[in-house]
Amino acid sequence: DGGITQSPKYLFRKEGQNVTLSCEQNLNHDAMYWYRQDPGQGLRLIYYSQIVNDFQKGDIAEGYSVSREKKESFPLTVTSAQKNPTAFYLCASSSLAGGPGNEQFFGPGTRLTVL
Amino acid sequence: GDSVTQMEGPVTLSEEAFLTINCTYTATGYPSLFWYVQYPGEGLQLLLKATKADDKGSNKGFEATYRKETTSFHLEKGSVQVSDSAVYFCALSDQTGTASKLTFGTGTRLQVTL
Repeated sequence: DGGITQSPKYLFRKEGQNVTLSCEQNLNHDAMYWYRQDPGQGLRLIYYSQIVNDFQKGDIAEGYSVSREKKESFPLTVTSAQKNPTAFYLCASSSLAGGPGNEQFFGPGTRLTVL
Repeated sequence: GDSVTQMEGPVTLSEEAFLTINCTYTATGYPSLFWYVQYPGEGLQLLLKATKADDKGSNKGFEATYRKETTSFHLEKGSVQVSDSAVYFCALSDQTGTASKLTFGTGTRLQVTL
């Protein structure tokens, strides 16, 4: 089955530690995205990538880093510089053909809790 | 910048009641509009979309019409079921380069009771 997988489902981190969230897709999509979800705030874009080895900051990139070494993979690192990292993180992907009407497909999410 | 405003929840309805969730947007240009649904503990799923003015998106009994004159994309369903209980997000797509960045509303939680 085609889709997006994220791991782990739950992640606990101590303050001051970096942590990497995995996102893999087998939909052959060129574009991939990371969003952060907080209660009552909807989803906010952290980073996105349109092509391998290239990515752009979203609205809330500070304290996060990404890489795109393979088309299928777009890992997100939450660094110790992120002031309030506890949140639900969602990865998505989409085709680039057809423009802004394209659907984004979402993974099941990773819930990160900083202890 | 672009923004989406949707009605605050939670919305609590009895089964078979009529549902409306209001959504209005602010955008430059001509965005595409989406409704996504999120069930507890899961990611988002596309419910329906519309890509130009006066388009109507529909799926699973839900409908929404892209109204450019009122910058709205209200979600409606004639008869809700308990299984429709979820959080509903309105979103618009701003094309940047060739990628489509989504701007989301804050979500509206729907609870349907027997």
